[in-house]
Amino acid sequence: AIRMTQSPSSLSASTGDTVTIPCRASQGISSYLAWYQQKPGKAPKLLIYAASTLQSGVPSRFSGSGSGTDFTLTISSLQSEDFATYYCQQYYNYPPTFGQGTKVEIK
Amino acid sequence: QVQLVQSGAEVKKPGASVKVSCKASGYTFTSYYIHWVRQAPGQGLEWMGIINPSGGSTSYAQKFQGRVTMTRDTSTSTVYMELSSLRSEDTAVYFCAGADSSGLYGLDVWGQGTTVTVSS
Repeated sequence: AIRMTQSPSSLSASTGDTVTIPCRASQGISSYLAWYQQKPGKAPKLLIYAASTLQSGVPSRFSGSGSGTDFTLTISSLQSEDFATYYCQQYYNYPPTFGQGTKVEIK
Repeated sequence: QVQLVQSGAEVKKPGASVKVSCKASGYTFTSYYIHWVRQAPGQGLEWMGIINPSGGSTSYAQKFQGRVTMTRDTSTSTVYMELSSLRSEDTAVYFCAGADSSGLYGLDVWGQGTTVTVSS
């Protein structure tokens, strides 16, 4: 199975900051990567698919980049509602695998 | 609107089985493949398997092979996930999630989650 690595597992930021969250695949996955946001007690929410395509209804301050093995989720001008855990997921092949998540906390 | 609604919380004893349902509405039932993903307390997301509601074909994560069964009922637009031989490590929130049949767009609709607690 392809291993997805997210590091750090948590980071602290302030409202208005720009935050970058990296994700690395153990082998090339082209652009078959999605990003999800999860808040406590809630289901994950799809933010980005195909590495850089914004899901409908998701604010434009979220953006994704990368291909192959290295990917980044960027949140520009962090808002209070963005404090959450973010997961990357590859769907290049089966089984689909998730990174272990990066929690964005208030500084 | 596109929606997946899951059954309620369950408490089971070790060795028992649990069957969680996921009812779809707001779209053509056979156009979205349904994945099952679980999340143990304080942990990340773990993919369990997928079912194609059109023909009922399934694919399971190796970890759950032999213990998990995913089925569907097209008459009620409902998908089921049954996990047997439960142990304490199966205590988790279980989510169903829908993905376009092309597999190109990620998991764009999620159920609310079903908490399964395994305890003697």
